[in-house]
Amino acid sequence: GAGVSQSPSNKVTEKGKDVELRCDPISGHTALYWYRQSLGQGLEFLIYFQGNSAPDKSGLPSDRFSAERTGGSVSTLTIQRTQQEDSAVYLCASRSGLAGNTGELFFGEGSRLTVL
Amino acid sequence: EDQVTQSPEALRLQEGESSSLNCSYTVSGLRGLFWYRQDPGKGPEFLFTLYSAGEEKEKERLKATLTKKESFLHITAPKPEDSATYLCAVQLSGGSYIPTFGRGTSLIVHP
Repeated sequence: GAGVSQSPSNKVTEKGKDVELRCDPISGHTALYWYRQSLGQGLEFLIYFQGNSAPDKSGLPSDRFSAERTGGSVSTLTIQRTQQEDSAVYLCASRSGLAGNTGELFFGEGSRLTVL
Repeated sequence: EDQVTQSPEALRLQEGESSSLNCSYTVSGLRGLFWYRQDPGKGPEFLFTLYSAGEEKEKERLKATLTKKESFLHITAPKPEDSATYLCAVQLSGGSYIPTFGRGTSLIVHP
């Protein structure tokens, strides 16, 4: 498809389990972001990938969270030993690296994570 | 300390009743200010980028303006389909391209 694709759209897990969330960005977009959105809250930055540079992990809330981006395309966000406070919608976005772009982020529809 | 503050948190309008949403920011060195629209269960959808004070952008019933301290999203004669959460984000100059988002304004337009 032409847009950012995320899977799964919904995930229910038990406390203590590990989860993986996947993001397929728009083809050719060099920048990829993960944000978290809790009920009634704004978007909380988690991690940013730009091309082949080292990712900016400054938003990851704990060492239980990690992310990778393979081949400059698909990204996976992994949450280990999930806690109830991890329940949220995890949004992925990509951005064109072309000069002169508006800085627009293209978002996927999100993965809703519920930790019981 | 929030860098981006949006007000009001929620706004209810009658169809045709024009109003404005506010986004104030405390950062210095603004690279860009962005407005997004988010429908329930969806990801945010880009509306505008503003780069410098005095700049204005328009799209249908929406008009965004920017000053040195804040931005306004003016909605003229809104329709029920304009109901959504409107998010503002700022991006700093000199750093990496990571927008910081406000908490949004939830707009409901009644027919």
